[in-house]
Amino acid sequence: AQSVTQPDIHITVSEGASLELRCNYSYGATPYLFWYVQSPGQGLQLLLKYFSGDTLVQGIKGFEAEFKRSQSSFNLRKPSVHWSDAAEYFCAVIAGNNRKLIWGLGTSLAVNP
Amino acid sequence: NAGVTQTPKFRVLKTGQSMTLLCAQDMNHEYMYWYRQDPGMGLRLIHYSVGEGTTAKGEVPDGYNVSRLKKQNFLLGLESAAPSQTSVYFCASSSGDGTQYFGPGTRLLVL
Repeated sequence: AQSVTQPDIHITVSEGASLELRCNYSYGATPYLFWYVQSPGQGLQLLLKYFSGDTLVQGIKGFEAEFKRSQSSFNLRKPSVHWSDAAEYFCAVIAGNNRKLIWGLGTSLAVNP
Repeated sequence: NAGVTQTPKFRVLKTGQSMTLLCAQDMNHEYMYWYRQDPGMGLRLIHYSVGEGTTAKGEVPDGYNVSRLKKQNFLLGLESAAPSQTSVYFCASSSGDGTQYFGPGTRLLVL
């Protein structure tokens, strides 16, 4: 069965520091992968997605993610975190033709000033 | 272009009461979804629709019903609310590539 694991429930970084959020998936075929962000009290917003092609994907707000098939990973990165990046981050993989997403449980990011 | 909208934004119900949550999208998307979000449990799919007039059960469908009479609308009904249905409910819609676009959410408290 398809699954998505986000190993880190909570991460705290200092403003200006680099960030990497981990995502591992289990899926037999070539996956469609997504990262979403949820600010407190808000809905989810798409950060970036990978369908095919270049394995390094650029997204909004200065985020990027790298697809590594050999490691079944799709880690999210940002070189310099801003206080406004404090939010919940969700990784997801598409499963099947009905376009359902399989979601990770999320990583909560706190940013210290 | 409003994207995905949800009505209401917040509601308090007493146990046993019924209500309907409305989701509307103006992107002409075929696929629509209802999720609930609870602390520590991520997003769980309640019901979804792959087109007008169709509905299907998701991961946690018990206690909920849905209807998709018009392509742009997806209704989620609670026939007899229970405290376990206290949650934040999100609607999403998707085009053919699977990217989901979310509404702002409805916060429901069942007393």
